[in-house]
Amino acid sequence: DAKTTQPPSMDCAEGRAANLPCNHSTISGNEYVYWYRQIHSQGPQYIIHGLKNNETNEMASLIITEDRKSSTLILPHATLRDTAVYYCIVRVFDNYGQNFVFGPGTRLSVLP
Amino acid sequence: EAGVTQFPSHSVIEKGQTVTLRCDPISGHDNLYWYRRVMGKEIKFLLHFVKESKQDESGMPNNRFLAERTGGTYSTLKVQPAELEDSGVYFCASSQGNQGGSPLHFGNGTRLTVT
Repeated sequence: DAKTTQPPSMDCAEGRAANLPCNHSTISGNEYVYWYRQIHSQGPQYIIHGLKNNETNEMASLIITEDRKSSTLILPHATLRDTAVYYCIVRVFDNYGQNFVFGPGTRLSVLP
Repeated sequence: EAGVTQFPSHSVIEKGQTVTLRCDPISGHDNLYWYRRVMGKEIKFLLHFVKESKQDESGMPNNRFLAERTGGTYSTLKVQPAELEDSGVYFCASSQGNQGGSPLHFGNGTRLTVT
């Protein structure tokens, strides 16, 4: 089962910031938080990841709470092309190494 | 650099036939993964290669599925014989390392339809 909880859907006005929340209350100390998105029928696209500190790249910012039990992905200026399903994933370290567990994600609709 | 490429992009076969999907990971990536999404369900892990070795195949649904990665470069996933419930999109991903922090990079998938 996925270790994360996300709202099933969100709307955002074009040009505004999109803030996508994710709860991961059972995260362990060595697990990273990853964000991916899937646009239409394309493959999941990597956005950003982090362990403890907030992270920023050319696509987005990732804010992780101090207790690491939740995080927020921020798209600073959402465009229509950002409409997609966004997945928050906690990387599971098991005896074999690593495995991504996808949940249902958040369907973000950017509205004109 | 080229991303993860998958071939074919679409495949339509009849029940009982055989299909082979191919994945070319990003050059230099030792880790290769197969995932799939069947209709209406979430993306599910199938298996993980480290170079040519199967590190984890706990997600393979049954023995009709055979994955190989000879030489540790590209990988193939064969379904034989295909059943209707095998229809879905099969994604391949690769990553550079096996340490925390190495993101997976996905291909655009192969859409398999079994009729």
